[in-house]
Amino acid sequence: DTAVSQTPKYLVTQMGNDKSIKCEQNLGHDTMYWYKQDSKKFLKIMFSYNNKELIINETVPNRFSPKSPDKAHLNLHINSLELGDSAVYFCASSHLPGQGNEKLFFGSGTQLSVL
Amino acid sequence: ILNVEQSPQSLHVQEGDSTNFTCSFPSSNFYALHWYRWETAKSPEALFVMTLNGDEKKKGRISATLNTKEGYSYLYIKGSQPEDSATYLCAPRSGSGGSNYKLTFGKGTLLTVNP
Repeated sequence: DTAVSQTPKYLVTQMGNDKSIKCEQNLGHDTMYWYKQDSKKFLKIMFSYNNKELIINETVPNRFSPKSPDKAHLNLHINSLELGDSAVYFCASSHLPGQGNEKLFFGSGTQLSVL
Repeated sequence: ILNVEQSPQSLHVQEGDSTNFTCSFPSSNFYALHWYRWETAKSPEALFVMTLNGDEKKKGRISATLNTKEGYSYLYIKGSQPEDSATYLCAPRSGSGGSNYKLTFGKGTLLTVNP
């Protein structure tokens, strides 16, 4: 069983479209994250949720809207896609940092290509 | 934003060589240091999380040390094997946890082990 699963793995779409990436974890973690791997292969935090509540929002354009229906899911919806949104997006989960076991477990990534 | 430096950026070694690389981070507001291993076409996988000055962790042939006073961590690989080829990322956590924390990834050290 995959611990952190995100879908789709590949997403090719036209500029201006709206798309969603889904993420689910079965590890019983209470904290979930979205990271973006930029063009220089750098992993940058976008959002962090703890028990469905937004904890970190790193100056991401408001076209990006995370949604956490429950603590096992954190989906990422992107409106009006732009060329610069093309990247690999990673979902991750962990126990709440500062409480002992905070290793992040990552999904396999979603490669988004905006044409 | 934390300034996280990893050196070298890339490293080529021969099978059987031992190697090490460095992660430097601000020593103020430090709470934990994560190391991840990221193989090509896969997702990052946690190696260690260290919190205390002088901490040393070991997993097989890989070990890591932590100096929180001067703000650095070393990752050592003994007797490198081709399967150790990957990018090694470090990520210090600032903030004590709860709703106040941030994990900032370095750009990584790309290790290539030649057979």
